[in-house]
Amino acid sequence: GENVEQHPSTLSVQEGDSAVIKCTYSDSASNYFPWYKQELGKRPQLIIDIRSNVGEKKDQRIAVTLNKTAKHFSLHITETQPEDSAVYFCAAHTGRRALTFGSGTRLQVQP
Amino acid sequence: DAGITQSPRYKITETGRQVTLMCHQTWSHSYMFWYRQDLGHGLRLIYYSAAADITDKGEVPDGYVVSRSKTENFPLTLESATRSQTSVYFCASSEQRVSNQPQHFGDGTRLSIL
Repeated sequence: GENVEQHPSTLSVQEGDSAVIKCTYSDSASNYFPWYKQELGKRPQLIIDIRSNVGEKKDQRIAVTLNKTAKHFSLHITETQPEDSAVYFCAAHTGRRALTFGSGTRLQVQP
Repeated sequence: DAGITQSPRYKITETGRQVTLMCHQTWSHSYMFWYRQDLGHGLRLIYYSAAADITDKGEVPDGYVVSRSKTENFPLTLESATRSQTSVYFCASSEQRVSNQPQHFGDGTRLSIL
């Protein structure tokens, strides 16, 4: 089955800096890659997603890049703000089953 | 996203008891999922359902039972609860008939088994 690895497990940045979270996946058939943000005690919420026919997607301060050859994808957050502090999860979907999630990255933005 | 609701939000029970977690969605999504979330493991899939009366095992199905008699409901039952099933449980749904679509999560049920 699919295996998704996510790094780093924790990330601390200064407000205004950029943050990058990286994920690798094992199943070359995976074709959908969402990113979720989870604040403490809350539900995971979709923040951005990308499909395998696209190499990059942006939404304001958030962007995701996908390298199908290397089987990795990354989340980029620019101009970080304290409210970006949360746990971020990447996931991969092959179309046959549900999502396989990475283990999460705890992002802390220092004011 | 009030479209998917879970109940109860919190539950404390004892080992050996049966407990059922409820999940209800109002979007008429065909797919529904149950995940458990534990520190260090992220979200792990327990069971999922592609439509009413169609269910399939996920990564960690042992000790759990699901049913889906109606499209909008997907209850998860722990037939004989164990301490290792203490966790936060999330239900999710998505519409995947056309192509891969996002999953939307409920608020979760925090389950403690003593």
